[in-house]
Amino acid sequence: DSGVTQTPKHLITATGQRVTLRCSPRSGDLSVYWYQQSLDQGLQFLIQYYNGEERAKGNILERFSAQQFPDLHSELNLSSLELGDSALYFCASSVAAKNYEQYFGPGTRLTVT
Amino acid sequence: GDSVTQMEGPVTLSEEAFLTINCTYTATGYPSLFWYVQYPGEGLQLLLKATKADDKGSNKGFEATYRKETTSFHLEKGSVQVSDSAVYFCALNSGGSNYKLTFGKGTLLTVNP
Repeated sequence: DSGVTQTPKHLITATGQRVTLRCSPRSGDLSVYWYQQSLDQGLQFLIQYYNGEERAKGNILERFSAQQFPDLHSELNLSSLELGDSALYFCASSVAAKNYEQYFGPGTRLTVT
Repeated sequence: GDSVTQMEGPVTLSEEAFLTINCTYTATGYPSLFWYVQYPGEGLQLLLKATKADDKGSNKGFEATYRKETTSFHLEKGSVQVSDSAVYFCALNSGGSNYKLTFGKGTLLTVNP
């Protein structure tokens, strides 16, 4: 158990809908990262937050957004969902913004039908 | 940009066999290198890491040495067990202002009794 929690574990929704994925980092970790794992793209970095502020952006679509709240939990919002958004979404956390060791949550499996 | 290339799977071995999973990388600067493992239905777990050239990371009988001259970080284990069956990911973080992990495509290892 990494100490990173993600909810929900599974999510099934229809095209065009909007969903919110939630992540709670390990106790004491200030930095949160979101990754997408799909069969064709592999593991791709989406976005990073540190202590409430966006720090780095990767291959995140404009339909996706994220935020980190004062209690340090983070949410990833996915809107206007398409079939191709079906994937495993992982959250990871680390102590600092510039910390190379990231600890991963169990993931949220999103299925868009 | 940064990239990681690891050997395509699947790899199937008998228990107690020797394991090598090759990983090479391209990165700016001096990256930190990692191996993560993903057991079926679970998130990614950090297996081992190395942060500078010639460092050897080791954990649970697995080892990998950071070779700057060959830009490689091959994973080895002298005697695999059935419980080692999982997907193994090589990853790098090149530091600087970009804190994301760049992953290889993963290698599925199956160990038969």
